[in-house]
Amino acid sequence: DQQVKQNSPSLSVQEGRISILNCDYTNSMFDYFLWYKKYPAEGPTFLISISSIKDKNEDGRFTVFLNKSAKHLSLHIVPSQPGDSAVYFCAASQADSWGKFQFGAGTQVVVTP
Amino acid sequence: DGGITQSPKYLFRKEGQNVTLSCEQNLNHDAMYWYRQDPGQGLRLIYYSQIVNDFQKGDIAEGYSVSREKKESFPLTVTSAQKNPTAFYLCASSIVNRANYGYTFGSGTRLTVV
Repeated sequence: DQQVKQNSPSLSVQEGRISILNCDYTNSMFDYFLWYKKYPAEGPTFLISISSIKDKNEDGRFTVFLNKSAKHLSLHIVPSQPGDSAVYFCAASQADSWGKFQFGAGTQVVVTP
Repeated sequence: DGGITQSPKYLFRKEGQNVTLSCEQNLNHDAMYWYRQDPGQGLRLIYYSQIVNDFQKGDIAEGYSVSREKKESFPLTVTSAQKNPTAFYLCASSIVNRANYGYTFGSGTRLTVV
């Protein structure tokens, strides 16, 4: 039973444009969310996080939005760069299950010139 | 440089054999984790450990075993009881109670049953 879903397995975007990655979750108890970026043959690296007390968190070109009522979060990358081509995972956790993050299946982003 | 080292990068196992995947970190993190990645699926938690000599089952612990004798090391044994062990295995670590800063992951071990 997958509690975190990334329904778009892939996304192609032109360099300089905005990339929007989506993530839906089913567990209303989730209160902490992370995005990770993964290059081939490497482990995922932490990108950005957001807690349920916020609806937006920004870090440079990366912004995460959280819509708790819709159980939806999204990652915006503006502007997209060739180095952003990677797989992006969203992950969610609830306060009383520390250490147990649920991950989505990932979205492969390809940034084209 | 601090980080997590997983070895080997590629591992081949015969049916019925146990194999052990190594995970070592020099980040002084208290917590360590093992995840499994299969095509089209998210990362699934196998085991995690918050302190030395203690560990907890994750969502898919059956057929796996771990030990945490040292803070730096969290090896995973894939036993012959694991029905479908072919997968990409990721080890991670984090500061206890600071999970909001995210995990640091190793580069993974790809295990193939031959």
